[in-house]
Amino acid sequence: DIVLTQSPATLSVTPGESVSLSCRASQGISTSIHWYQQKSNESPRLLIKYASQSISGIPSRFSGSGSGTDFTLSINRVESEDFSVYYCQQSYSLPLTFGSGTKLEIK
Amino acid sequence: EVQLVESGGGLVQPGRSLKLSCAASGFTFSNYYMAWVRQAPKKGLEWVATISTSGSRTYYPDSVKGRFTISRDNAKSSLYLQMNSLKSEDTATYYCARATVATCYFDYWGQGVMVTVSS
Repeated sequence: DIVLTQSPATLSVTPGESVSLSCRASQGISTSIHWYQQKSNESPRLLIKYASQSISGIPSRFSGSGSGTDFTLSINRVESEDFSVYYCQQSYSLPLTFGSGTKLEIK
Repeated sequence: EVQLVESGGGLVQPGRSLKLSCAASGFTFSNYYMAWVRQAPKKGLEWVATISTSGSRTYYPDSVKGRFTISRDNAKSSLYLQMNSLKSEDTATYYCARATVATCYFDYWGQGVMVTVSS
């Protein structure tokens, strides 16, 4: 199974800062990584597909990059509504797996 | 507007069975793969099952293979998850999610339904 390691587990930032969240795969997965945001007591929401492809309706401050084993979700100028948990997911092979998440919290 | 509404959750004893349902609307259900993803309390996300558009192909991780069965009724735009031999570690919120193929992302999610396995 492909293991996804997300870091850091928690990131404390001030609104207006720009941040980068990391997701590392245990083997090369090309660009088969997707990012989700999950706010407290809500369902996950797809933010980025295939490492860098944007999703309709998602603010442009969210962007993704990477290929192979190292991937990054970037948020340009964090807004108050962005404080939540972020998960990466791989679709390179079954079983589909998720990272353990990065919690973005207000400093 | 795409909507996925799960139902059927609740409290069940270990070893017993439960069947979840997901009613889909706002898109052509028969054109999409569908999946179940779960989240144990205060934990991360875990993929549980995926089914092809026709229902002829199903996919499971080892953790539920042989105990869970995913199915669909395209005429009713409904997705199901039959869960047998339930264990305490199956306690989670179960989400219905839409996909396009077996190995891809999930672009829409339901609100989730809670399943608690306890004596």
